[in-house]
Amino acid sequence: EIVLTQSPVTLSLSPGERATLSCRASQSVSSYLAWYQQKPGQAPRLLIYDASNRATGIPARFSGSGSGTDFTLTISSLEPEDFAVYYCQQRSNWPLTFGGGTKVESK
Amino acid sequence: QVQLVESGGGVVQPGRSLRLSCAASGFTFSSYGMHWVRQAAGKGLEWVAVISNDGSTKYYADSVKGRFTISRDNSRNTLYLQMNSLRAEDTAVYYCCGVSSGYGDHYWGQGTLVLVSS
Repeated sequence: EIVLTQSPVTLSLSPGERATLSCRASQSVSSYLAWYQQKPGQAPRLLIYDASNRATGIPARFSGSGSGTDFTLTISSLEPEDFAVYYCQQRSNWPLTFGGGTKVESK
Repeated sequence: QVQLVESGGGVVQPGRSLRLSCAASGFTFSSYGMHWVRQAAGKGLEWVAVISNDGSTKYYADSVKGRFTISRDNSRNTLYLQMNSLRAEDTAVYYCCGVSSGYGDHYWGQGTLVLVSS
């Protein structure tokens, strides 16, 4: 199965700062990578699909890039509601797999 | 509005069975692939299984293959997960998720807790 490694595990930033999250795949997933946001007690929410496409209703401050094995989720200017855990997921091969997550916390 | 409502979770002894249901409304259920995703307390997300919109294709995580069965009834707009031979490591919140063919639309339920314990 494809292993997704996210870094850093925790990112401590202040509102208004730029957040850069990384996801590396153990083999190429082409552009079949998604990003999710999860807040405590809530279901995950799709942010980005196919590496760079924002899902419906997702603010423009969220952007995704990359292809093959290296991907990045960027939050251009953190809003208070963006502090959460972020997961990447590949849909290139079965079984689908998730990364271990990056927690974006308020400094 | 779109709703996915899971049910059927609870406390079950190791080795026993449980069936989860996910009732969908507010979207064209028969057009969406449906997934089960689980999350143990304080841990990350783990994909469990998927079924195609017409029920003809199914895939499973290695950790549940041979023990869990995903199915759907498009006439009832309901997704199921039959879980047999349950283990302590199956303890988690189980989410159902509907995904459009282009992957751009995802609908998630609120989750149902399964606790496998003697």
